Amino acid sequence: LAKTTQPISMDSYEGQEVNITCSHNNIATNDYITWYQQFPSQGPRFIIQGYKTKVTNEVASLFIPADRKSSTLSLPRVSLSDTAVYYCLVGGNQAGTALIFGKGTTLSVSS
Amino acid sequence: DAGITQSPRYKITETGRQVTLMCHQTWSHSYMFWYRQDLGHGLRLIYYSAAADITDKGEVSDGYVVSRSKTENFPLTLESATRSQTSVYFCASTGGPRQTEAFFGQGTRLTVV
Repeated sequence: LAKTTQPISMDSYEGQEVNITCSHNNIATNDYITWYQQFPSQGPRFIIQGYKTKVTNEVASLFIPADRKSSTLSLPRVSLSDTAVYYCLVGGNQAGTALIFGKGTTLSVSS
Repeated sequence: DAGITQSPRYKITETGRQVTLMCHQTWSHSYMFWYRQDLGHGLRLIYYSAAADITDKGEVSDGYVVSRSKTENFPLTLESATRSQTSVYFCASTGGPRQTEAFFGQGTRLTVV
């Protein structure tokens, strides 16, 4: 899987929009970009996945520029419950692909 | 209920003992994974399996053994537990065409004393 680079930590206040950027310079043509969220004492949970341009769901938006060498997870109007670790993964449909997690970005939301 | 479950949730064992962590999923997902998570290290892949009877080592496989005789089960065995294997273990599965959309179990907290 392509190696990813994310900030180690970010701080925000309730109600703000948070953007977490992930760099993946070696992304392959058939790789997708996926973000996971992990709360303390729980397993990671899938948030959003995309290939190019913009993807939006009820939780977040994912922005991917044309060169796909980076991506930005956008969380609108965060609340205290969005405090978690966010992981960016890059991978495709190759048989035997293994999910490799980096250390993620610890987001702390304060009131 | 459909899902992925791990057992036990908590386990305390002694150094040198063999211990097996269980993982069961009800979706018939092809791919299953085992991770360990320690403070400061994030999630590290131990083993993964692409299908029944097909397994591959991950980043930190030493001291661990897996088997996959049935699609729905993926047990992880610590052959001779060491204190360094004290950790939280997560199992995951995925089966869709976009293999990075994985579902995780609730974790097993293992303490080796």
